[in-house]
Amino acid sequence: EAGVTQFPSHSVIEKGQTVTLRCDPISGHDNLYWYRRVMGKEIKFLLHFVKESKQDESGMPNNRFLAERTGGTYSTLKVQPAELEDSGVYFCASSPWTANTGELFFGEGSRLTVL
Amino acid sequence: EDKVVQSPLSLVVHEGDTVTLNCSYEVTNFRSLLWYKQEKKAPTFLFMLTSSGIEKKSGRLSSILDKKELFSILNITATQTGDSAVYLCAVGAGNMLTFGGGTRLMVKP
Repeated sequence: EAGVTQFPSHSVIEKGQTVTLRCDPISGHDNLYWYRRVMGKEIKFLLHFVKESKQDESGMPNNRFLAERTGGTYSTLKVQPAELEDSGVYFCASSPWTANTGELFFGEGSRLTVL
Repeated sequence: EDKVVQSPLSLVVHEGDTVTLNCSYEVTNFRSLLWYKQEKKAPTFLFMLTSSGIEKKSGRLSSILDKKELFSILNITATQTGDSAVYLCAVGAGNMLTFGGGTRLMVKP
C-alpha cells in the first residue's frame, strides 16, 4: 500500500514568488493534516481537512497560505507571495481517525527554501 | 498555549547502552501522547499512550505515561546504530498534535 506522498521534495524560490505543494494521502483516509517545521523549531500544526472540508485552520500563519482539498482526495498548499520566513519543511499526514485517537501517517515532507 | 518539552536535546551513546528520553507536557484537553522516530524524512509511529502507568513495549523500545506528573519516557535498551534518529513526542488534544522539539540520538559503534 502506498504511503503519504508529497511533491516536490525540495523547492527553491525567490521571495515574492508562488509555490504550490501537493500531498497525496493514503487512499481512504478522510483526515488530512498539514504541519510545518521551520529551522530550529518544533513541528507545528497548520490545518486539518476532513474529506474536502477544512475542520481546523487555526495554525495557518496568514492569508498568504491557501490550502485546498477538492474532491476529498489530494491536497495542495499554496504560498503566495512567499517570504523568507516561510522556509522550512512542510509535512502532510493522513489518517482514518482524528489526531488524538490514533497515529498519523506522515509523508517525507516538502522542503521549501525562499531566497 | 499547549506546550511539549523534550529532553535531552541530543544524546550520544555507544552500542549496547540503554537510553531514556523524556517528554513533559502542558496541554488542555489531553487525549493521547505519541512517540515518533524520524530517521531521514518521514516520522514513523512508535507508540500511542492514553492511560497512566501502562507500559507499551515493542522489542527493545518501551514507553510509559504519567498523567499526574504530565510526562512520558521512552526507553531504548541495548541500543544499535540503527536507533540513531530524532525521536519526537507529540500530544493529541482537540484534532491536532502538538510536537516537542525532538531528541536527536546518535548511537556509535
